Amino acid sequence: DAKTTQPTSMDCAEGRAANLPCNHSTISGNEYVYWYRQIHSQGPQYIIHGLKNNETNEMASLIITEDRKSSTLILPHATLRDTAVYYCIAAANAGGTSYGKLTFGQGTILTVHP
Amino acid sequence: DTAVSQTPKYLVTQMGNDKSIKCEQNLGHDTMYWYKQDSKKFLKIMFSYNNKELIINETVPNRFSPKSPDKAHLNLHINSLELGDSAVYFCASSPIGGWSGVLYNEQFFGPGTRLTVL
Repeated sequence: DAKTTQPTSMDCAEGRAANLPCNHSTISGNEYVYWYRQIHSQGPQYIIHGLKNNETNEMASLIITEDRKSSTLILPHATLRDTAVYYCIAAANAGGTSYGKLTFGQGTILTVHP
Repeated sequence: DTAVSQTPKYLVTQMGNDKSIKCEQNLGHDTMYWYKQDSKKFLKIMFSYNNKELIINETVPNRFSPKSPDKAHLNLHINSLELGDSAVYFCASSPIGGWSGVLYNEQFFGPGTRLTVL
């Protein structure tokens, strides 16, 4: 799986957009970009994933650069409940030998302030 | 309805004991996982099963033995517990692979089991 690099921590004001960057310059063609988050003392929670195109769901938007070497997770209107560790993961699809294994790094600690 | 459940939520035991953690998912998923999150908060995959078949087995001491009686359950048995086994253990499930034909890995995690070995 490709290695990902994220800032250790970020701050955001409540109600503003939170833009979390991720670098995955060695990503290969069959690897998805996933975002998960872990709120304190809870299990990780899936947010969104993408392969090439930008994606949006009820939680967030995912912007992937055309060369796929980096991506940005956007929480459009951050709330205090969005304070969590956010993990960006590049992982192959189910067809490979890794069977879609997710390797969690250190992630970005996002703190949303009132 | 709880999607992925684990029991117990807390487990405190002495070194050398044998203990089990149970996991059940009611999502109809084909694939289940065990993760370990240590005190430094690193989340590491331990095992994965697809339709009761072991598909991922990371470098884990053989004191840890997963058992999948059916595709909705994946239990973790730990023999001869050591201090370093103290951690939070998360179970997860995913529709990826198998008969589902799903290629991406949206995992649903349980609430975790905090294991403390004294």
